[in-house]
Amino acid sequence: DTEVTQTPKHLVMGMTNKKSLKCEQHMGHRAMYWYKQKAKKPPELMFVYSYEKLSINESVPSRFSPECPNSSLLNLHLHALQPEDSALYLCASSLAGEENIQYFGAGTRLSVL
Amino acid sequence: RKEVEQDPGPFNVPEGATVAFNCTYSNSASQSFFWYRQDCRKEPKLLMSVYSSGNEDGRFTAQLNRASQYISLLIRDSKLSDSATYLCVGPSGGSYIPTFGRGTSLIVHP
Repeated sequence: DTEVTQTPKHLVMGMTNKKSLKCEQHMGHRAMYWYKQKAKKPPELMFVYSYEKLSINESVPSRFSPECPNSSLLNLHLHALQPEDSALYLCASSLAGEENIQYFGAGTRLSVL
Repeated sequence: RKEVEQDPGPFNVPEGATVAFNCTYSNSASQSFFWYRQDCRKEPKLLMSVYSSGNEDGRFTAQLNRASQYISLLIRDSKLSDSATYLCVGPSGGSYIPTFGRGTSLIVHP
């Protein structure tokens, strides 16, 4: 069982909708990540938060907006997405300084119609 | 050139076989590597770390070859449950954030 919890597990949204993905961990990890994964591809890093501050944005379009309200929570706000944004969105966390050892949530499978 | 490269496979092997995957890396200064396992439609999970002295965990052995800049994962006595995608992870150049290889698909059949 994963110690990183993501909700919802599945999400279907239209291109004009606004939705949010949520991620929670209680392992005391101070680094949290959002990844996007398409079928048969590796996870593609989107954002990194370190000590609740955005430290890396991998040139992600502004229709994806991350937020880290506290050290346990990470959100990804979605607005005006495109069908090509349909993918599995994975959240992960790690100890700061041990970024290679990441714990992943089960992901949110997103379909944009 | 990608920092970390893997043969996507699939590797099709019978139960009980020994199978090995390699992963090449481009940054000669890289020190730490890891293997992750991802089952179909599930999240990646850390399998094991890779040390230059080798790392063995049951049927799994991981090694780092600095001279040739590759890491390997050896699985002995393959089980049906070993069927998964194995992702090689190493540091990206100039960053502390790891980069994932594209993964190698393993299918173990009866």
